[in-house]
Amino acid sequence: EAQVTQNPRYLITVTGKKLTVTCSQNMNHEYMSWYRQDPGLGLRQIYYSMNVEVTDKGDVPEGYKVSRKEKRNFPLILESPSPNQTSLYFCASSRRQGNEKLFFGSGTQLSVL
Amino acid sequence: SQKIEQNSEALNIQEGKTATLTCNYTNYSPAYLQWYRQDPGRGPVFLLLIRENEKEKRKERLKVTFDTTLKQSLFHITASQPADSATYLCALPPGGYGQNFVFGPGTRLSVLP
Repeated sequence: EAQVTQNPRYLITVTGKKLTVTCSQNMNHEYMSWYRQDPGLGLRQIYYSMNVEVTDKGDVPEGYKVSRKEKRNFPLILESPSPNQTSLYFCASSRRQGNEKLFFGSGTQLSVL
Repeated sequence: SQKIEQNSEALNIQEGKTATLTCNYTNYSPAYLQWYRQDPGRGPVFLLLIRENEKEKRKERLKVTFDTTLKQSLFHITASQPADSATYLCALPPGGYGQNFVFGPGTRLSVLP
């Protein structure tokens, strides 16, 4: 089944404790992206990747890192999480950037205490 | 940059009626526009794509129109059912290389039995 898999589904952590949210897609998509969704602010893009070893900042990249060493994986790293990073996070992928529908993961609800 | 407005934050309708959701955008006219459905705590799911040269697109009980003069898309659900209750997002593709999909804030539809 074609899908985007995110883990974990829920995560509670404390300020400053590094964490990684994993994202994997099995559709051989070139384009992958991370979004955060907050009430009243909608979906906002954090980082995106056009292909392996190519990543770039989205609208709200501060406090986040990403890597794209393999085509299928696109982990989101929070080196020193802060409470303002409490949010619902989505990974998404598409065949190419800008011209295709997006496939979203099920989301990761992150709480930073 | 592109900005999207969706008619209302929430819309309640009676089962069996037609729901009409509005998406208005500013600035450049995109080559296409997408509609997604999002259930609470889940990732958005692609529903329909309509291109600028298509006035109307249908898929089962769904109908989308695209008026580039008015810079507006209308999303209709006919014979609505309680299972149609969800948040519906419109999305515009990137305006250029390296830019992002822009998502509207969404309209939360509740179909009352």
